[in-house]
Amino acid sequence: EPEVTQTPSHQVTQMGQEVILRCVPISNHLYFYWYRQILGQKVEFLVSFYNNEISEKSEIFDDQFSVERPDGSNFTLKIRSTKLEDSAMYFCASSEVQSPLHFGNGTRLTVT
Amino acid sequence: LAKTTQPISMDSYEGQEVNITCSHNNIATNDYITWYQQFPSQGPRFIIQGYKTKVTNEVASLFIPADRKSSTLSLPRVSLSDTAVYYCLVGEGGGADGLTFGKGTHLIIQP
Repeated sequence: EPEVTQTPSHQVTQMGQEVILRCVPISNHLYFYWYRQILGQKVEFLVSFYNNEISEKSEIFDDQFSVERPDGSNFTLKIRSTKLEDSAMYFCASSEVQSPLHFGNGTRLTVT
Repeated sequence: LAKTTQPISMDSYEGQEVNITCSHNNIATNDYITWYQQFPSQGPRFIIQGYKTKVTNEVASLFIPADRKSSTLSLPRVSLSDTAVYYCLVGEGGGADGLTFGKGTHLIIQP
């Protein structure tokens, strides 16, 4: 069964540094998403992406965040200047139209 | 987006059938009901999706009454490996709108 893959599985960075989290969605999917989950809390929606542009974003997705589909297979989340409170699991997901989301196993981001 | 309400936690034993009910009083006409499972340090995993009546797949059944204001996820003959958090989500499925996860139901299966 095709999977959403995310790299790296764990990223440690210092406060103020830029990080790029990478995702390879399922190949025939058209919608792409980023979610995050702070330890012990619920899964939170960040952004959805379709047809090479952002479709929807939450209040969490401020100017420090950006997404990009640099080629036909990758989907990235960039955090420009990380803060301690950005420490969380970041999940990428993809879907077809009106179909369930398929999630990757996440990148654990630790900001020190 | 319709808000969902589900029990915070449930306990059961291996071999039992487990039913988790979710309330979604404000469900819209175009909304589907989708259930996900999440293990610690893993991404949510799709279990089942339905619009009305009953849906069954190899892992679960989903019962949806005619008014669609609630739904019940049924897990037959659970095992220890079914211990996880189960989320009920309501929305148009894949598309521009990001799904909103609630706190889910923490299901604990004991021997």
